[in-house]
Amino acid sequence: DPKIIQKPKYLVAVTGSEKILICEQYLGHNAMYWYRQSAKKPLEFMFSYSYQKLMDNQTASSRFQPQSSKKNHLDLQITALKPDDSATYFCASSQDSGAGAETLYFGSGTRLTVL
Amino acid sequence: GDSVTQTEGQVALSEEDFLTIHCNYSASGYPTLFWYVQYPGEGPQLLFRASRDKEKGSSRGFEATYDKGTTSFHLRKASVQESDSAVYYCALSPDSNYQLIWGSGTKLIIKP
Repeated sequence: DPKIIQKPKYLVAVTGSEKILICEQYLGHNAMYWYRQSAKKPLEFMFSYSYQKLMDNQTASSRFQPQSSKKNHLDLQITALKPDDSATYFCASSQDSGAGAETLYFGSGTRLTVL
Repeated sequence: GDSVTQTEGQVALSEEDFLTIHCNYSASGYPTLFWYVQYPGEGPQLLFRASRDKEKGSSRGFEATYDKGTTSFHLRKASVQESDSAVYYCALSPDSNYQLIWGSGTKLIIKP
């Protein structure tokens, strides 16, 4: 059974609309992340959360907003969608996010296409 | 700043060929080094990691040795199989920062 569930697997949206990408992890981890993968940038870190608090934000645009309602949930809200937002978005988790080398566990991704 | 360089964007081999994917890094101190593998339609997954100079990581027939002298962590496998077709990412975790720094990835294509 997948330990990190991302929904939906595929998503098509129109320019200017808003979408929410869902992520739940059942590994008992304390830290969660969002990454983006596109042809331009193979793996691009977006956000990290630890115990439901934002730890790092490398996303330049405020159109991307993570939302954590529970420790094992980290959704990603994207507003005013643009064709350039088309990519596969991966959720990941790790036991903790402190200094040191944490192994990341990834979900299978949500493939977003913006028309 | 810290960085990871994978020189091969794509490698095409036949089954039972020897594989080398090059990974060089730039970082101070002793970063932890990783190899992740991403199969089609899936997220990346850890292949193995190494934290000390001369430490060898290995899994599923793949191996890499942490070499601080040459700042390298090259991935090798003696005999590749079609099932090894995937994208391989080298990454590092700097001493004082938990954030992973990723290489650009190498797509491995195995011709049957």
